[in-house]
Amino acid sequence: AQSVTQLDSHVSVSEGTPVLLRCNYSSSYSPSLFWYVQHPNKGLQLLLKYTSAATLVKGINGFEAEFKKSETSFHLTKPSAHMSDAAEYFCVVTLSGNTGKLIFGQGTTLQVKP
Amino acid sequence: GAGVSQTPSNKVTEKGKYVELRCDPISGHTALYWYRQSLGQGPEFLIYFQGTGAADDSGLPNDRFFAVRPEGSVSTLKIQRTERGDSAVYLCASSHSGNEQFFGPGTRLTVL
Repeated sequence: AQSVTQLDSHVSVSEGTPVLLRCNYSSSYSPSLFWYVQHPNKGLQLLLKYTSAATLVKGINGFEAEFKKSETSFHLTKPSAHMSDAAEYFCVVTLSGNTGKLIFGQGTTLQVKP
Repeated sequence: GAGVSQTPSNKVTEKGKYVELRCDPISGHTALYWYRQSLGQGPEFLIYFQGTGAADDSGLPNDRFFAVRPEGSVSTLKIQRTERGDSAVYLCASSHSGNEQFFGPGTRLTVL
């Protein structure tokens, strides 16, 4: 079975400093991994996805994530936080090539302080 | 160029009542998904349609929950005999041929 664990429920950074949101996954098969962002009162938006191509994945708004099979991790990073990055972030796994269900982590709330 | 829409945006009902939640996917998207997001949790998968048929309904919690997509476009999630534990945000997503899932804004269901 597939699952994801987001290691921090809440992360607080100052504007202009780096962001690190941690995610570990469990999968019996080759997984596809995603990061979604959810701003208040808005729908979930895809930030980036890994589907067994390059292990370093670049997404929108300057975010990127690195797939590390040996560590079963898929941490999300951004070099410099912006106030508009404050939101809920979800790490998500699904079976590679599967067109079905996404399995979400519990979410990490990112707070950005001025 | 409209995205996924869901109606109503908010629904308040009493315990024991029947509710229907509607999802209008992006035009041309063959796949449609329902998820449920409880407060402080990540979304949980309920059911997935490919065209008119339910390809995976393993996430439906019990037989009070049912969903249909009769013409392969709009879908309705139906909940019978609602319980307070059904209170959550119900999210719908659609995709084209298994690519990125695009999510709607959700329906917030409150069961009193």
